[in-house]
Amino acid sequence: AQTVTQSQPEMSVQEAETVTLSCTYDTSESDYYLFWYKQPPSRQMILVIRQEAYKQQNATENRFSVNFQKAAKSFSLKISDSQLGDAAMYFCAYRRNGAGSYQLTFGKGTKLSVIP
Amino acid sequence: DTGVSQDPRHKITKRGQNVTFRCDPISEHNRLYWYRQTLGQGPEFLTYFQNEAQLEKSRLLSDRFSAERPKGSFSTLEIQRTEQGDSAMYLCASSSGGGANEKLFFGSGTQLSVL
Repeated sequence: AQTVTQSQPEMSVQEAETVTLSCTYDTSESDYYLFWYKQPPSRQMILVIRQEAYKQQNATENRFSVNFQKAAKSFSLKISDSQLGDAAMYFCAYRRNGAGSYQLTFGKGTKLSVIP
Repeated sequence: DTGVSQDPRHKITKRGQNVTFRCDPISEHNRLYWYRQTLGQGPEFLTYFQNEAQLEKSRLLSDRFSAERPKGSFSTLEIQRTEQGDSAMYLCASSSGGGANEKLFFGSGTQLSVL
C-alpha cells in the first residue's frame, strides 16, 4: 500500500520569504503522480501543483515549485515570496497511474502560518 | 460554473440516526469522488463514480455507507445507524477527465457531528 508522510505538522514563514514543505512517500510503482493541495480555512481543497513521476523536470507554477527526487521518494514544495494568502493546510498526495487507479492518498498535512 | 456544491454544510445527529449528504459537481464533470477527513488527518478516499457507475469503493465504506449518482449528475452519500466514529468532514470532488491532466475540484465539505 502506498503511504505519504509529511513530517512537519506546522511551519511558519515571514511574509516575502521562502519556505519549503517536506513530503516523502512509499510506493512500489514506477508510474504515478504527485500533488500538493492547499486547504484554507474555507475548507475547499485547491490544487497547487502536480508532478508526473516519469518527468525529470521539476514542476513550477508561479511562486510554487517542487523538488522531486524519485530515487529518494521525496517531493518537497517551495513557496517563494510568501504572501498572507498562502496561510493554509498543505497536503501532499499520491496517485498511481494506470487503469482502475482513481484514488488519491494524502499525507496528514502541514499547517503553514505566514507572519506579516 | 459555480463550483462543486455540498449540502448541508454542517450536520449534527444523534447516534443511530441516518443521514444523507448531497453533492452537486461542476456541470458536465463525469467523474465524482467522495473523501472523508477527520481532525488532524488528510482526506481518505471513500468512493468514485464515472457518470452513474460506481467504479471503486474503499474498504472504509462499510455496509452502513451507500453512495449513489443517479443519471450521472448529483450524488448522495447516506450513512445508516450513525456511530460517533463517523464524525468527520465529508468532501466531494469532481473532474472532467483522467490521466495526467485530471484536475479535481473540491467542494467545501459537509461537517458531520454524531452525538
